Amino acid sequence: RKEVEQDPGPFNVPEGATVAFNCTYSNSASQSFFWYRQDCRKEPKLLMSVYSSGNEDGRFTAQLNRASQYISLLIRDSKLSDSATYLCVVNIPSASGGSYIPTFGRGTSLIVHP
Amino acid sequence: DAGITQSPRHKVTETGTPVTLRCHQTENHRYMYWYRQDPGHGLRLIHYSYGVKDTDKGEVSDGYSVSRSKTEDFLLTLESATSSQTSVYFCAISEGRYAGGTEAFFGQGTRLTVV
Repeated sequence: RKEVEQDPGPFNVPEGATVAFNCTYSNSASQSFFWYRQDCRKEPKLLMSVYSSGNEDGRFTAQLNRASQYISLLIRDSKLSDSATYLCVVNIPSASGGSYIPTFGRGTSLIVHP
Repeated sequence: DAGITQSPRHKVTETGTPVTLRCHQTENHRYMYWYRQDPGHGLRLIHYSYGVKDTDKGEVSDGYSVSRSKTEDFLLTLESATSSQTSVYFCAISEGRYAGGTEAFFGQGTRLTVV
């Protein structure tokens, strides 16, 4: 079982739709959580950090549920330019415990169509 | 954008040859990582470094070695390239072990083809 799990999709939605992605993680000692966006053949780029209290950045809302060990990303009023792969990232303690390793889900593909 | 440069950006090499990929940062970040990305697998950690001369293995380290002799440079070497190492390789950096680790920033990637 992978340490970070995501539904690969694709999610195919019309412009203006609201879409939600979920991600689960297995290591309860994980401390930091992020969503990244990756466009085709490009590097992943940080979209937003995820805090226990939930956080919002424009049309994007991220939430963390530590008890259930899942993270969510909500995108409202989808735009064509939102089409990309969304990567859930969890900083998981290394085996030695001295470091936290960014560990990726396989990504969820979003396609927004006119 | 974070100052991370990967070189080369594209490389085609023959099976059995050694290959070295370079990651250079100008951010003075403590942590550096090498990932590979393959369809169906997402990004998987190869090796990482938590300081000069301090490195550790990741999930898919077999066939790879790394070195970090300076804070700004992290080298990934394929000792004897195989076709299974055809992939896109990403270098990433992060500031350090603060509150469970900080966000990572990525280089533009190196597309390696082993023929």
